[in-house]
Amino acid sequence: DTGVSQDPRHKITKRGQNVTFRCDPISEHNRLYWYRQTLGQGPEFLTYFQNEAQLEKSRLLSDRFSAERPKGSFSTLEIQRTEQGDSAMYLCASSLASGANTEAFFGQGTRLTVV
Amino acid sequence: GESVGLHLPTLSVQEGDNSIINCAYSNSASDYFIWYKQESGKGPQFIIDIRSNMDKRQGQRVTVLLNKTVKHLSLQIAATQPGDSAVYFCAENGAGNMLTFGGGTRLMVKP
Repeated sequence: DTGVSQDPRHKITKRGQNVTFRCDPISEHNRLYWYRQTLGQGPEFLTYFQNEAQLEKSRLLSDRFSAERPKGSFSTLEIQRTEQGDSAMYLCASSLASGANTEAFFGQGTRLTVV
Repeated sequence: GESVGLHLPTLSVQEGDNSIINCAYSNSASDYFIWYKQESGKGPQFIIDIRSNMDKRQGQRVTVLLNKTVKHLSLQIAATQPGDSAVYFCAENGAGNMLTFGGGTRLMVKP
């Protein structure tokens, strides 16, 4: 499978715990994006990387959230001290920065439930 | 599978009929738009895109129309099939290819 891969697919955690999600983009894609989606809504942008540099962060990304892409390949999204309001689907996408085809391809998402 | 959206506008069509899904956008400077399909429990899947120098683009069974004057997009699906049942989102592709999604429409296809 050469698509965007996310792990885990589902995570249930107790309020106050830390969680970390992983995203493996399409191998030749230099841009990687994180989005959050709650029920009944479209995905909302959180942050994106070009190679290993984090170029943009949404105001939705509170200081409890941190994302990394240390080698410009896979990325992790960590949420510290989880709250019930963090329950959502976390989607990763990747794309090329330039060229004829720059559309983003999404992974299957990680469904987080904070209890 | 789990529901993508519980309170979305819903379009219900008969199998074989044509479907039209509409979307309004707010940023008059937007110049690149994408339609995504999202099935229950899955991530959004690219369907078709259009740039602002065009007002129509056709794919396989799908057509996107762009009206820049009224900031409106539509997605037309010909001969709708049960496999087309999903939630459809339009998205504005902005700087850095960051996407701003619309609210979504659930398409239900009756056999």
